Amino acid sequence: DTAVSQTPKYLVTQMGNDKSIKCEQNLGHDTMYWYKQDSKKFLKIMFSYNNKELIINETVPNRFSPKSPDKAHLNLHINSLELGDSAVYFCASSAVGGYNSPLHFGNGTRLTVT
Amino acid sequence: AQSVTQLGSHVSVSEGALVLLRCNYSSSVPPYLFWYVQYPNQGLQLLLKYTTGATLVKGINGFEAEFKKSETSFHLTKPSAHMSDAAEYFCASNNAGNMLTFGGGTRLMVKP
Repeated sequence: DTAVSQTPKYLVTQMGNDKSIKCEQNLGHDTMYWYKQDSKKFLKIMFSYNNKELIINETVPNRFSPKSPDKAHLNLHINSLELGDSAVYFCASSAVGGYNSPLHFGNGTRLTVT
Repeated sequence: AQSVTQLGSHVSVSEGALVLLRCNYSSSVPPYLFWYVQYPNQGLQLLLKYTTGATLVKGINGFEAEFKKSETSFHLTKPSAHMSDAAEYFCASNNAGNMLTFGGGTRLMVKP
């Protein structure tokens, strides 16, 4: 059983389009996250949700909108895609949004904007 | 603000040799520290973590790390490298609730 699953694995689209990435976790965790990994492998947090409520929103353009219909799902919708949005996006979850809870990551969605 | 620095974006070792991946953190309070490994086309997996207590932490796959407060370091070691250890390794710290801060990553290459 996959603990944190993301779909799609690959996403190729043109500038200006709108796309969504879905994430589901079956670990019973309360906290979910979206991370962006750029071409240099640098990982940066985008959003964090705890039990469906937004608790971290880093400096991310408002073209990015997370949605959490329940605590097991955290989807990412991106409007008006730009070339610079090309990256690998990782969903993750943790048991508690506290200091020492390790993150469980999905396998990533590689977004390519042309 | 906390930050994590990994010295050496690429490290190459021979199979059977010692692996040493360096991580330094900056934080006003002792953070919780983690090492994650990322294999190609996969997400990150937890190798080990330091919270409190014993400063030498053992993880999976024979890796261990030592928390040294005086040096603000949390270096990752393995006595004998295997080919299967080739991957990207990330050090991370967390002392502000949900905000896990990652280092820039170190690619470990293992030569036969």
